[in-house]
Amino acid sequence: QVQLQGSGPGLVKPSETLSLTCTVSGGSISGNYWSWIRQSPGKGLEWVGYIYDTGSSKFNPSLKSRATMSADTSKNQFSLRLRTVTAADTAIYYCARRLYDSRGHYYFDSWGQGTLVTVSS
Amino acid sequence: QSVLTQPPSVSGAPRQRVTISCSGSTSNIGDNGVSWYQQVPGKAPKLLIFHDGQRPSGVSDRFSGSKFGTSASLAISGLQAEDEADYYCEAWDDSLKSVIFGGGTKLTVL
Repeated sequence: QVQLQGSGPGLVKPSETLSLTCTVSGGSISGNYWSWIRQSPGKGLEWVGYIYDTGSSKFNPSLKSRATMSADTSKNQFSLRLRTVTAADTAIYYCARRLYDSRGHYYFDSWGQGTLVTVSS
Repeated sequence: QSVLTQPPSVSGAPRQRVTISCSGSTSNIGDNGVSWYQQVPGKAPKLLIFHDGQRPSGVSDRFSGSKFGTSASLAISGLQAEDEADYYCEAWDDSLKSVIFGGGTKLTVL
């Protein structure tokens, strides 16, 4: 069973860039889709985006092009950068695998423990 | 306001059966598979159901999913105290070109 471990600063100042990394163990990031999903305090889940190991990515349109993702197959890691953050970006950020199975179905089958990021001066 | 609509809360007594609905449209549930996740307070979500009604190995058969048209449902039978959690539906939306989640449903076991 693949395991994911997110890491990064817990505090980011408004207008700065949020950077998070997810380290994958128990399996390769190659050949899979990797996602970030966030959850504001007391709120529901919001998909941020995903990246494939080749580097192709897709993001939630609501983020208005502030997000980028990258993947490092040599370290078995993928990362998120979210620019120009505001208090509304304060959330627990989960990294997850979006599995594309042999029958062509997509779903988030493995999740990291979550990293709380607070945007505050 | 979520694109996928779930009731904010449901409740049931131990050993009873409850259902949680997830209402969408032709651009999401109507055209794509639905997944369900369980989130215990303070923990990461856990996959319960994928592709409308498939259970991953290790998930109890007390959990079942179904879909009809643009709506999906999660049923939990033989309610147990440990089932108390938040439940989320999820699907891809062809119009938004985005993964979307329902607003979540809090299950209380009385």
